[in-house]
Amino acid sequence: SQQGEEDPQALSIQEGENATMNCSYKTSINNLQWYRQNSGRGLVHLILIRSNEREKHSGRLRVTLDTSKKSSSLLITASRAADTASYFCATAHSGSARQLTFGSGTQLTVLP
Amino acid sequence: NAGVTQTPKFQVLKTGQSMTLQCAQDMNHNSMYWYRQDPGMGLRLIYYSASEGTTDKGEVPNGYNVSRLNKREFSLRLESAAPSQTSVYFCASSVRPGTKMSQYFGPGTRLLVL
Repeated sequence: SQQGEEDPQALSIQEGENATMNCSYKTSINNLQWYRQNSGRGLVHLILIRSNEREKHSGRLRVTLDTSKKSSSLLITASRAADTASYFCATAHSGSARQLTFGSGTQLTVLP
Repeated sequence: NAGVTQTPKFQVLKTGQSMTLQCAQDMNHNSMYWYRQDPGMGLRLIYYSASEGTTDKGEVPNGYNVSRLNKREFSLRLESAAPSQTSVYFCASSVRPGTKMSQYFGPGTRLLVL
């Protein structure tokens, strides 16, 4: 399967701490995207990083991509209770022009 | 702007019944998608429509049909529901087809097949 795998499956931290989630994949990609899903809601796009990029920032989010290790990480700094959600990576694989492949997600709980 | 809307929010079906899930977007997007989400798994693509008038199979199309009614609307039909189709269904859209841009998701339809 080309599916990305997030690690850990669940993460619980205190408000103000940083949260790091990882995504690994198996075949070469064009880009990798991170999405957030609040309980009972649809997914919301957070950030896209292209295969020729190594790091990208958006507000409190920092994404890194290591194509040699076929892995990416999402760092949320100074977490807030409102960051509690599931986070998914989605990979756009080379040769698959139209489909994103989603991982199974990391459930992040930020405790107040 | 409502974004992507889906109806119904929740549905219970008996095995063998049929139903249509509705999806509409008001962002003038060309491409639309149907996914299913099962516990412990990521989203899996059922069907997509790159542009009005075209539809293509995704990863798990068996047991489903779709219609791209117009640019705004993309429906998913279950002709004869099975318990294995119990899932949460998400519709999404993007400006253009392809994977180089983000997708915008609806709130989902929770379907229970007894």
